[in-house]
Amino acid sequence: NAGVTQTPKFRVLKTGQSMTLLCAQDMNHEYMYWYRQDPGMGLRLIHYSVGEGTTAKGEVPDGYNVSRLKKQNFLLGLESAAPSQTSVYFCASSYERVGSIQYFGAGTRLSVL
Amino acid sequence: AQSVAQPEDQVNVAEGNPLTVKCTYSVSGNPYLFWYVQYPNRGLQFLLKYITGDNLVKGSYGFEAEFNKSQTSFHLKKPSALVSDSALYFCAVRDGSNQGGKLIFGQGTELSVKP
Repeated sequence: NAGVTQTPKFRVLKTGQSMTLLCAQDMNHEYMYWYRQDPGMGLRLIHYSVGEGTTAKGEVPDGYNVSRLKKQNFLLGLESAAPSQTSVYFCASSYERVGSIQYFGAGTRLSVL
Repeated sequence: AQSVAQPEDQVNVAEGNPLTVKCTYSVSGNPYLFWYVQYPNRGLQFLLKYITGDNLVKGSYGFEAEFNKSQTSFHLKKPSALVSDSALYFCAVRDGSNQGGKLIFGQGTELSVKP
């Protein structure tokens, strides 16, 4: 089992460029999440999805969009990257059941110059 | 609003000594509490959780945590630390009534175990 796979692992963007981060899970999980990790701030939820075709805003959604066209995939888009979006991005997924564990990908390190 | 506090940015322990990583939380309903560990350049790995039942929860790699409702705490402990336990540890809480299983994470505690 691959678990949760994120692509790419690293990316450098110039201010104003766009990109899409891909998250794929093979555990048939209903829920999927995108977080960003910044030093001293823990993980903050950007957007999440409770099922195919549904998305919702998390704690820090501004500047990001998401889509979940297929149950196994959750895409995070940056339409016009800003230096403040330099961060490490993590995708996670979980079952719907109460108390379910979230499983994390290895992360994408993004630098916006 | 839900929140999690990890009051120590860093904990230093000698190998073989017991370790404690502190966590306090605030939720409006029944808390679901989690500990995760992150090794350098890796994603988060689940260690243990408290949902209901026994206040002492045992998890992976010899770690355990004690849920204390009156003190709203969920401290992570291990009787004898190993150098390989050195990593970044996150406490997280979920309000049992919230939809979507969203977790709120603490800011993380860097554990350093020296030989």
